[in-house]
Amino acid sequence: GQQVQQSPPASLVLQEGENAELQCTYSTTLNSMQWFYQRPGGRLVSLLYSPSWAEQRGGRLTSSAASNESRSSLHISSSQITDSGTYLCANVGDNSKLIWGLGTSLVVNP
Amino acid sequence: EAAVTQSPRNKVAVTGGKVTLSCNQTNNHNNMYWYRQDTGHGLRLIHYSYGAGSTEKGDIPDGYKASRPSQENFSLILELATPSQTSVYFCASGEWGGRTLYFGSGTRLTVL
Repeated sequence: GQQVQQSPPASLVLQEGENAELQCTYSTTLNSMQWFYQRPGGRLVSLLYSPSWAEQRGGRLTSSAASNESRSSLHISSSQITDSGTYLCANVGDNSKLIWGLGTSLVVNP
Repeated sequence: EAAVTQSPRNKVAVTGGKVTLSCNQTNNHNNMYWYRQDTGHGLRLIHYSYGAGSTEKGDIPDGYKASRPSQENFSLILELATPSQTSVYFCASGEWGGRTLYFGSGTRLTVL
């Protein structure tokens, strides 16, 4: 079936101020990609929605999609301790259902 | 501010018992969703609804029922709870395709 793979696959550890890049690759045509943030035990919060042809920006976050490479990226600049948490991507698949990646845990140390 | 409220926040149930998880949204969204989140599986769609009176099966509906009595409320019902249903359950409301998707805080269900 349709799948979304996230990388790094498990976790990413950074020092405060470093930049982070998270990626999602998917097994079918990219319609659009959405990025979510989740604190441990917390709700998911939508970060950015990126149509397959567009780059989206929101503060220190930038998402981009390369549909010809079946890939989407989330770039976090100047990471902060409060950025720590899990980042999930979701691709809009057939029938407009969301297909979720498993998430990447980001830890930002002081 | 868009809001989705789930109750209870935590629930311990016994095998074979009935469990009802409730969700209320004040966003006036037509679409509502129930997901479960488990390590190694990510988010999986259980049931969803297009509006009051409608419920649709998601990807893993077995063992679950859903009820949408009004635009605001969407319930997930486990008639005979099993330990395999121990999980964190999230309700969400929003547009189909996820462009505007708002989640509740989740319900941690433990079935003993």
